[in-house]
Amino acid sequence: NAGVTQTPKFQVLKTGQSMTLQCAQDMNHEYMSWYRQDPGMGLRLIHYSVGAGITDQGEVPNGYNVSRSTTEDFPLRLLSAAPSQTSVYFCASFDWSSGNTIYFGEGSWLTVV
Amino acid sequence: GIQVEQSPPDLILQEGANSTLRCNFSDSVNNLQWFHQNPWGQLINLFYIPSGTKQNGRLSATTVATERYSLLYISSSQTTDSGVYFCAVDREETSGSRLTFGEGTQLTVNP
Repeated sequence: NAGVTQTPKFQVLKTGQSMTLQCAQDMNHEYMSWYRQDPGMGLRLIHYSVGAGITDQGEVPNGYNVSRSTTEDFPLRLLSAAPSQTSVYFCASFDWSSGNTIYFGEGSWLTVV
Repeated sequence: GIQVEQSPPDLILQEGANSTLRCNFSDSVNNLQWFHQNPWGQLINLFYIPSGTKQNGRLSATTVATERYSLLYISSSQTTDSGVYFCAVDREETSGSRLTFGEGTQLTVNP
């Protein structure tokens, strides 16, 4: 049981490049989310999903796309990277059956130059 | 959206001391959670506590929903307690996917 797995852990992008951050969970959780954390700040919600085929925007969705074709996977796509997207990205999964415990991945450190 | 304010922003303790961290929120919530982010960035869920009091070892938490605040107590602090403590809330009980986070309390426990 690996929990929530994020890849890559570290990435450097050039401005304008696109990339996908991968997130997978093996707990059969319905709810998954992507957050970003900037230095000295709390996490801010980018996009979330309440089940396969269902996604919605969070607080800071601009510049990001998501899809949820399976329960297990919730990739985050950066369409055209900008320096303002330099951040640490966390994927999380949750299910009511887990007693409201939210499980986070280990984070992906992204630098856009 | 809901505003979440945490205090103090920074706290430095000697090992063995006790501390209280506070979380104020601007609207009614049905989901409130406390998290610990260790110095390596890993986030761990400490408590799900939209109301009432819970205890887990040296940690305990109390939420007074009617007055819109929650407190996290750390007793007999250890160096491994160092890190950032976040409070996060949502209006809905089961939407653990849509939390609003405070900016955290940076705790440093010195030996």
